[in-house]
Amino acid sequence: DAGVTQSPTHLIKTRGQQVTLRCSPKSGHDTVSWYQQALGQGPQFIFQYYEEEERQRGNFPDRFSGHQFPNYSSELNVNALLLGDSALYLCASRIVAGGDEQFFGPGTRLTVL
Amino acid sequence: DQQVKQNSPSLSVQEGRISILNCDYTNSMFDYFLWYKKYPAEGPTFLISISSIKDKNEDGRFTVFLNKSAKHLSLHIVPSQPGDSAVYFCAAPPGGTSYGKLTFGQGTILTVHP
Repeated sequence: DAGVTQSPTHLIKTRGQQVTLRCSPKSGHDTVSWYQQALGQGPQFIFQYYEEEERQRGNFPDRFSGHQFPNYSSELNVNALLLGDSALYLCASRIVAGGDEQFFGPGTRLTVL
Repeated sequence: DQQVKQNSPSLSVQEGRISILNCDYTNSMFDYFLWYKKYPAEGPTFLISISSIKDKNEDGRFTVFLNKSAKHLSLHIVPSQPGDSAVYFCAAPPGGTSYGKLTFGQGTILTVHP
């Protein structure tokens, strides 16, 4: 049973560019959340997708957007990259009817130069 | 506003001894708490949770204690093993219906020496 998978593993971009990160949830899961983890900090909630709609959003600007596909996989898009966007981006999945336990992927390390 | 705080960035213990990791919260609406463990190059993995209707939950070597009046929880690992060396995060969903949005603490790096 594959867990949560994310691609790519690492990514280097320059300021002003746009980036797309991808996530496949754990089998049987229908809800995907994205988190940003800066160095030395805990993960911060970006947003959550369920039934292909954004259901909740954290304190992140509109430059951060997402999408969920019919197969429950998800993308995180960040436009007009800033140096401060450099972080580990984590995807987590769960069953909406389940508890609060979320299963995390290994993350995508984004470096903005 | 940091609603979940882990004030100890790191903890070092000897193998076989007890590890105690602490977490404080400020939001009285939090009624459920989770601990996650994170190894380098891996995502956080769920360890143990506790509901506010309990003050203790035990799972093998791991026990979480909740003191609601002090808005404090702690994770005890007994006995500690070198494989427990990782970053530990406490987290809480919003009160009521959570929809999975978790607020995390900053994490505590645990090092268990053989």
